[in-house]
Order: sequence, then C-alpha cells, then structure tokens
Amino acid sequence: DGGITQSPKYLFRKEGQNVTLSCEQNLNHDAMYWYRQDPGQGLRLIYYSQIVNDFQKGDIAEGYSVSREKKESFPLTVTSAQKNPTAFYLCASRLSGTSTDTQYFGPGTRLTVL
Amino acid sequence: AQSVTQPDIHITVSEGASLELRCNYSYGATPYLFWYVQSPGQGLQLLLKYFSGDTLVQGIKGFEAEFKRSQSSFNLRKPSVHWSDAAEYFCAVVRGGADGLTFGKGTHLIIQP
Repeated sequence: DGGITQSPKYLFRKEGQNVTLSCEQNLNHDAMYWYRQDPGQGLRLIYYSQIVNDFQKGDIAEGYSVSREKKESFPLTVTSAQKNPTAFYLCASRLSGTSTDTQYFGPGTRLTVL
Repeated sequence: AQSVTQPDIHITVSEGASLELRCNYSYGATPYLFWYVQSPGQGLQLLLKYFSGDTLVQGIKGFEAEFKRSQSSFNLRKPSVHWSDAAEYFCAVVRGGADGLTFGKGTHLIIQP
C-alpha cells in the first residue's frame, strides 16, 4: 500500500533532550512538509522540502531542524531550544511543488515533554 | 499573506440534519482551497478541493463546497449528517508554489442522536 508513515505514534521526552520524529513516504512524491498542531490552533508549517538535500523554513521553524537525504524520508528533530514542544506533529507530502497538487498527510506523532 | 478564518469553533447538529461549515479566506490571487477532516488522534483526510472552474465542488462522503469569490468564502455543506461525521474540519488555502498550506483553526462538529 502506498502512503505516509510516521513513527512513533507517541513519544515522550524529558526537558533538555533532542528527539527525532520519523516520516517516510512511498508515494514517489517530491515535496514533503512538517506541521505542528495545537488544540484550537489549526496546523502551522514548520519546515518543507521540495527536493532532496534542500529544505526551507516555515512559519515556526525555531527550535526544529530537518534533513532530506533521501526522497522518501524527511525526519524532524525537535531540539532542546524549542520552548514548548508538546504537540501533535503531522507530516505531509505531495507529488511536486505545483500548487494544484493535493497534499496527503500521515497519521501523526504525539510528542509529550515530561 | 494568506489567511483562513473558520468562524465557528464548535457546531452541534442533530443526526439527519443538514450541515454548513463556514470558511473565509484572504488571498490576493485566485485561491486554491481545500477541506480536510480529522478524526481524534488521526491524520487529515482530504474531503474536496477547488482550483478553478465550476464553483460547486463535490467531494467524498457526500460533502460539497461552494466557492464564492465575492464573499471570499468556501463553505462546506452536507444535506444529511451521520454520527460518523463527528470530527474536526479544516479549511486550507495554498500558500503559493511548494510552500504548503495555510489552515484555519478548525471547526469541531458534534452530532446529536
């Protein structure tokens, strides 16, 4: 089955620790995205990547980092510099950077800082 | 900058009744608009999208939406809701190019038996 997988589903982190969220897609999509969701806030864009080895900051990139070494993978690292990391994180992808392409979402990772 | 407003945080509808969820956007050019649905703890599923052409768009699960440029709106409708429609609904607009989507804050739909 084609789709987007995110792991783990739940993640717990102690304050001061970095943690990496996995996102993999087998849709052969060029563009990939990371969003953060907080209750009552909708989704906000963290980072996006149009091609391998290239990525751009979204609206709330501070305290996060990404890499895009492979087309199918776009991991997100939440660093200790992120002041309030507890949230639901959603990865998405679309075929290309064309505006009319549909964006598809993974099932999400819920991160809780203890 | 683009923005999306969903004026209703919560909406309660009786099962079998009609539904309309409101969405207003702010965008300088022709907007590309989407409606997504999210069940608790899950990812987002696309209901429908509008790019151009017919302003009444049909989607999955019996949903439709109407694009009204004069009102900067893209409201989602369903003639008869089912208990399984209870979820969070998000309206979104393309930011431009490959820049992702700008989302509204969502509307939480509650279905009364």
